[in-house]
Amino acid sequence: EPEVTQTPSHQVTQMGQEVILRCVPISNHLYFYWYRQILGQKVEFLVSFYNNEISEKSEIFDDQFSVERPDGSNFTLKIRSTKLEDSAMYFCASSITGTSTDTQYFGPGTRLTVL
Amino acid sequence: AQSVTQPDIHITVSEGASLELRCNYSYGATPYLFWYVQSPGQGLQLLLKYFSGDTLVQGIKGFEAEFKRSQSSFNLRKPSVHWSDAAEYFCAVGRSGSARQLTFGSGTQLTVLP
Repeated sequence: EPEVTQTPSHQVTQMGQEVILRCVPISNHLYFYWYRQILGQKVEFLVSFYNNEISEKSEIFDDQFSVERPDGSNFTLKIRSTKLEDSAMYFCASSITGTSTDTQYFGPGTRLTVL
Repeated sequence: AQSVTQPDIHITVSEGASLELRCNYSYGATPYLFWYVQSPGQGLQLLLKYFSGDTLVQGIKGFEAEFKRSQSSFNLRKPSVHWSDAAEYFCAVGRSGSARQLTFGSGTQLTVLP
């Protein structure tokens, strides 16, 4: 069964450094998402992406975040200058069409630790 | 804004016992409701979803959930729990007209005793 994959599984970085989290969505899916879960807190929506554009974003997704689909298979989340509070599990998801009844399929997550 | 509450942080049941995980939502219009499960090292897997129609929804792995508008609840049930059901369970709500921006509850960790 096709699945969403994410790399790396765990990323450790120093505060102020840039990180890029990578995701490979399911191949025929057109909508892509990033969520995050700070330890002990809820899973929070960050951004959705369709047709090479941001479709929706939350207030968490500020100027230090960016997303990109650099090629036909990868979907990335970049954090320009990491802060301690960016430490979290980051989940990528994809859906076929992004319609109101479509299912989002999630990857296993990347645990980001900012020191 | 919509919100989801899962009142139980941790639940322990014996294998073979029945299970009910609680979920309450807050949303003004008809919500789109989901239950996801996360096993260690795995992504969030969809168990079931509700958009409209029959308020009792069947999902994978023998799970079902019932939408009760009067109680703003969408509780997840299973008649007989298996050891492999041990995982974390998340309830989520999507805005009507868009299931793209999901709001999740804080999750319920399920432990299954042999």
